[in-house]
Amino acid sequence: GAGVSQSPRYKVAKRGQDVALRCDPISGHVSLFWYQQALGQGPEFLTYFQNEAQLDKSGLPSDRFFAERPEGSVSTLKIQRTQQEDSAVYLCASTEGPEQFFGPGTRLTVL
Amino acid sequence: RKEVEQDPGPFNVPEGATVAFNCTYSNSASQSFFWYRQDCRKEPKLLMSVYSSGNEDGRFTAQLNRASQYISLLIRDSKLSDSATYLCVVNTGTYKYIFGTGTRLKVLA
Repeated sequence: GAGVSQSPRYKVAKRGQDVALRCDPISGHVSLFWYQQALGQGPEFLTYFQNEAQLDKSGLPSDRFFAERPEGSVSTLKIQRTQQEDSAVYLCASTEGPEQFFGPGTRLTVL
Repeated sequence: RKEVEQDPGPFNVPEGATVAFNCTYSNSASQSFFWYRQDCRKEPKLLMSVYSSGNEDGRFTAQLNRASQYISLLIRDSKLSDSATYLCVVNTGTYKYIFGTGTRLKVLA
């Protein structure tokens, strides 16, 4: 069956631009996570949704980061006024039981 | 101190060798433990869950030591295809999963 998909796979932005990253979780998965993974590091928690409710956004680095999942399926992570330190891979995961299924990630490079 | 700590490596081992990684965690209330594998420029994928009694899956054995707050992963008869980063993951019983930085393994021909 289809796994978690993310788009775009690669994004290059100029500093100050806004970007939007999309995640399509596995159909029927209630829980959805966003992570940020810097080079040589493990994924760092950003935010968690249960259906359309954002239950935890404590990992979002600043108020420039915003995530939504309005209909409880597709989710979008938006970063406003991107900075160089935002360059990373952004991973989305949906869960079934204890296992997290990750999408391929969006590699964001901010110039 | 990080909540989940791993030796970043790299561990360079010859084919056929046995290699072991440890991971320590700081939250004694942690309830679930996992090893994920991440290939270069790919997403993490679940390798195995770690149970209190220890568990084995083919050449892979995972152990949990609650008293010392660490988990381990043992790989026997290493294959070239085992080369990857191994991520230790801890869950405190809520929805939040805490990832270690990963340990890089290179299996050499």
